[in-house]
Amino acid sequence: DAGVIQSPRHEVTEMGQEVTLRCKPISGHNSLFWYRQTMMRGLELLIYFNNNVPIDDSGMPEDRFSAKMPNASFSTLKIQPSEPRDSAVYFCASSLLGHTDTQYFGPGTRLTVL
Amino acid sequence: SQQGEEDPQALSIQEGENATMNCSYKTSINNLQWYRQNSGRGLVHLILIRSNEREKHSGRLRVTLDTSKKSSSLLITASRAADTASYFCATAYGGSQGNLIFGKGTKLSVKP
Repeated sequence: DAGVIQSPRHEVTEMGQEVTLRCKPISGHNSLFWYRQTMMRGLELLIYFNNNVPIDDSGMPEDRFSAKMPNASFSTLKIQPSEPRDSAVYFCASSLLGHTDTQYFGPGTRLTVL
Repeated sequence: SQQGEEDPQALSIQEGENATMNCSYKTSINNLQWYRQNSGRGLVHLILIRSNEREKHSGRLRVTLDTSKKSSSLLITASRAADTASYFCATAYGGSQGNLIFGKGTKLSVKP
């Protein structure tokens, strides 16, 4: 069974450009999470969805970040406009039974904003 | 902060030795989970221990939970070079609609 799929794996862009990260969760999982990982701040939860509905977006840094989950098998995280401080590894994860259940992580997208 | 804190931040051992990592937290939890992250990869779930459990085993991994001390430990026995990775504890609060908070991790290096 395929795990969580993320694309692209690497993204290099210039400041001010729009960036879209994509995630396909494990089939049958009802919760999806977007995290950001940096050396300085560690792993931060940005937003999570339960049954395609955003439950907690308090970790989204600012209005430049937005996330959608149009259906149970696809989610996007968009940054517009991007800034150098957004450079990080972005992970998507999914779980079967909510936020406190075992989470399965994708391989991550390494974003570099020049 | 509700975040679990791992100790030590970094650990270097020889292959064959045991590695012990600790996690402390501040408020009551529903469960505590340990994850491993190899360099450049996503996190991989290792073990989940519930608040009413005291010890769990999985292969060479042994996890203990002491709710009175609000602490957990992860023991890796007979370590291998392939165990080199960062290990994170994550503490779950608030039931199924609660939160899972990750610590900053312990970086384990196992020298062949």
